[in-house]
Amino acid sequence: DTGVSQDPRHKITKRGQNVTFRCDPISEHNRLYWYRQTLGQGPEFLTYFQNEAQLEKSRLLSDRFSAERPKGSFSTLEIQRTEQGDSAMYLCASSFKIQGKNTGELFFGEGSRLTVL
Amino acid sequence: GQQVMQIPQYQHVQEGEDFTTYCNSSTTLSNIQWYKQRPGGHPVFLIQLVKSGEVKKQKRLTFQFGEAKKNSSLHITATQTTDVGTYFCAAINTGTASKLTFGTGTRLQVTL
Repeated sequence: DTGVSQDPRHKITKRGQNVTFRCDPISEHNRLYWYRQTLGQGPEFLTYFQNEAQLEKSRLLSDRFSAERPKGSFSTLEIQRTEQGDSAMYLCASSFKIQGKNTGELFFGEGSRLTVL
Repeated sequence: GQQVMQIPQYQHVQEGEDFTTYCNSSTTLSNIQWYKQRPGGHPVFLIQLVKSGEVKKQKRLTFQFGEAKKNSSLHITATQTTDVGTYFCAAINTGTASKLTFGTGTRLQVTL
């Protein structure tokens, strides 16, 4: 399977615990995005990387959220001291950006569903 | 921040009827993309529009980008039950980097 893969698919945790999600993008894609989606809403932008550089982070994102893409391949999203309001589907997407051209289509993974009790 | 609104939020049609969803932004957009998300699934790319006034067709789906590049529409002719899902527009603001902002979505239900 050469699509975007995310792990774990489901995570149930208690409030206050830390969680980490992993995303493996399509191998030749240089851009990687994290979105959060709650029921009935559209995906909400969290952050994105071009290669290993984190180019933008949502101002809505608290300091409890951190993302990395250390070697420009896979990425991790960590949420510290989880709160019930963090319960959502965390979606990863990748794309291939050519310099001077518009952003191409995003390929999404199946998502990691977080439930905070 | 940039907001992209879609109307309607929900539409229920009988198979064979047409369907249209509209996407509106208060700011000028660099380009706009459309995605479909089936129930329980993840968003899947449908199309990208770049030019002012652009119209693109994919079988029964017609996509249009407004002349002012602030709005877009998706029209489905003669809906089928396989069209069920939520349709999102996603926009890149000309003033920002390549962040894709998703609209609020229109959920389409099709019954026989």
